[in-house]
Amino acid sequence: QVKLLQSGAALVKPGASVKMSCKASGYTFTDYWVSWVKQSHGKSLEWIGEIYPNSGATNFNEKFKGKATLTVDKSTSTAYMELSRLTSEDSAIYYCTRIYYSGPFDYWGQGVMVTVSS
Amino acid sequence: DIQMTQSPSSMSASLGDTVTINCLASQDIGNYLSWYQQKPGKSPKLMIYGATNLEDGVPSRFSGSRSGSDYSLTINSLGYDDEGIYHCHQYYEYPPTFGAGTKLELK
Repeated sequence: QVKLLQSGAALVKPGASVKMSCKASGYTFTDYWVSWVKQSHGKSLEWIGEIYPNSGATNFNEKFKGKATLTVDKSTSTAYMELSRLTSEDSAIYYCTRIYYSGPFDYWGQGVMVTVSS
Repeated sequence: DIQMTQSPSSMSASLGDTVTINCLASQDIGNYLSWYQQKPGKSPKLMIYGATNLEDGVPSRFSGSRSGSDYSLTINSLGYDDEGIYHCHQYYEYPPTFGAGTKLELK
């Protein structure tokens, strides 16, 4: 069965960076785009960007360009997102998702809670 | 960016009721709309895609419809397991965008 297993919660200082992982299993990793989604205040969802593991091609929400970096390791079927220059506005839960061919997000990781605090 | 105006922001209903949640797209998105259910402390779960298609394993009590740029999620025979936050999502155009969410509680 398809699973996306994300890394654990992170407590980071303002101005620092954080890198989180999303390990895929149960399907051919290189066949599907992986998206990253931010959930703030426990309710609203915001799309950060996506990466195609086969080629490394990426697309980003303009709002997150310069903030998020997406990479993959095909040998371990793992996608990564690094967030830089963190502020309190970056405190949120971050999900990785698999994108089904036409666009809906059919599988989600369990989420990573990032807390930015000194 | 395409704005998805979701309503209501919260609602309370009784066991066995039928409820409807709406999303209005700021421009044409065709049928490129999905609905997700999110239970407390859990990840969103895909319920409906292509505006009207039920994801595998989702009870037939859930249904999606479209009228122009208005999209609706209807839940029949409401049960306690249906509590949570429901999100609409358009994937017609970059960037994909979501509605603000509807919190559904049972009385």
